[in-house]
Amino acid sequence: KNEVEQSPQNLTAQEGEFITINCSYSVGISALHWLQQHPGGGIVSLFMLSSGKKKHGRLIATINIQEKHSSLHITASHPRDSAVYICAVGRPTNSGSRLTFGEGTQLTVNP
Amino acid sequence: DAGITQSPRHKVTETGTPVTLRCHQTENHRYMYWYRQDPGHGLRLIHYSYGVKDTDKGEVSDGYSVSRSKTEDFLLTLESATSSQTSVYFCAISGRGSGNQPQHFGDGTRLSIL
Repeated sequence: KNEVEQSPQNLTAQEGEFITINCSYSVGISALHWLQQHPGGGIVSLFMLSSGKKKHGRLIATINIQEKHSSLHITASHPRDSAVYICAVGRPTNSGSRLTFGEGTQLTVNP
Repeated sequence: DAGITQSPRHKVTETGTPVTLRCHQTENHRYMYWYRQDPGHGLRLIHYSYGVKDTDKGEVSDGYSVSRSKTEDFLLTLESATSSQTSVYFCAISGRGSGNQPQHFGDGTRLSIL
């Protein structure tokens, strides 16, 4: 079983729909990250959070540390939101900490 | 955008040849990482560096070596490339240990081993 599990793997929505992507993890973490990878391949960090909720524009990320679960919500989805969304957890090591990634969720938003 | 440059962006080579990928940053960040991305897998850490001449292995380090002789450059070397190393390689940087600070990614290098 992967240490970071995302669901769903693929998601198709109509423009304007509310979207939720889920991430569950099984290890102790220092922080959880959400990233976006566009069709061209570039990877961008969206959020880093260790508790509660963060909001940026139409994107909202939440985390429940006790349940080891995070969600990424997109309100009023748009075709330009089509991308792969990746959850990653930061784990401490002896030389700092490093990220362990989920496999990603492919989101397609149709006009 | 964070100043990260990967080179080359694309490379095709033959099994058994040595390959070196370069990651160059202009942010003066301490931490640098090399990942590979393959279908059916998330990004997987190959090696990372927490300072000049300080490196450590990731989860898929076999067949790879790295070097960091100055803050701005982190090199990934495949001593004798194999077809299983065909992948997209990403470099990333962060100012502190990645658990507590976002990572910034390069644009990736698409490597094909024939």
